[in-house]
Amino acid sequence: QVQLQESGPGLVKPSETLSLTCTVSGGSISSHYWSWIRQPPGKGLEWIGYMYYRGSANYNPSLKSRVTISLDTSRNQFSLKLTSVTGADTAVYYCAREMYHDVSIGSTLDYWGQGVLVTVSS
Amino acid sequence: DVQMTQSPSSLSASVGDRVTISCRASQTINHYLNWFQQKPGKAPKLLIYATSNVQSGVPSRFSGSGSGTDFSLTISSLQAEDFATYYCQQTYSTPRSFGQGTRVDIK
Repeated sequence: QVQLQESGPGLVKPSETLSLTCTVSGGSISSHYWSWIRQPPGKGLEWIGYMYYRGSANYNPSLKSRVTISLDTSRNQFSLKLTSVTGADTAVYYCAREMYHDVSIGSTLDYWGQGVLVTVSS
Repeated sequence: DVQMTQSPSSLSASVGDRVTISCRASQTINHYLNWFQQKPGKAPKLLIYATSNVQSGVPSRFSGSGSGTDFSLTISSLQAEDFATYYCQQTYSTPRSFGQGTRVDIK
């Protein structure tokens, strides 16, 4: 059973960099797409981006200038960095695995972490 | 970018009711549409993938249909554990996008 667990500071100051790590157990990150999704309090889900295990990343254009997702295959982890944060970046951040099945199914976000609340405040 | 619009934003229903939630894409996404259920304080859970395929372990009262730009999720007989927020998501293109969610609560 694949499990994902987010970790990182729960409080970040405005203008600083938000850094989170997702540790994957029960499976290797050397396959599939590794994603970050966030949810502001009381609001809906926003896709941040993903990193393909072969090294190509795809980001939401609304965040692209500030976001970096990277993989550490030696630790079976992947990470999120979001620079120049403001209060609008306060959210629960989820890591998740996106699996591509085939052309008849497409992709699914089939495993998720429990989420971590990050608050941006001075 | 593909915009996803769900309706209604919320609904009240009773146990045993048949419930249908709609999701519309701003352009064709073929059948690459997934549905998630989210309960308070929990991560979303995959219910339906590729429009109409029920994820393993999900009760058969959940079903999905549609194609192109218009999709729906139906719960045939609402149970107490189904009160939650439901999201559609397209995986036809990047950036991936979700609907704004439909909250289902008790009448």
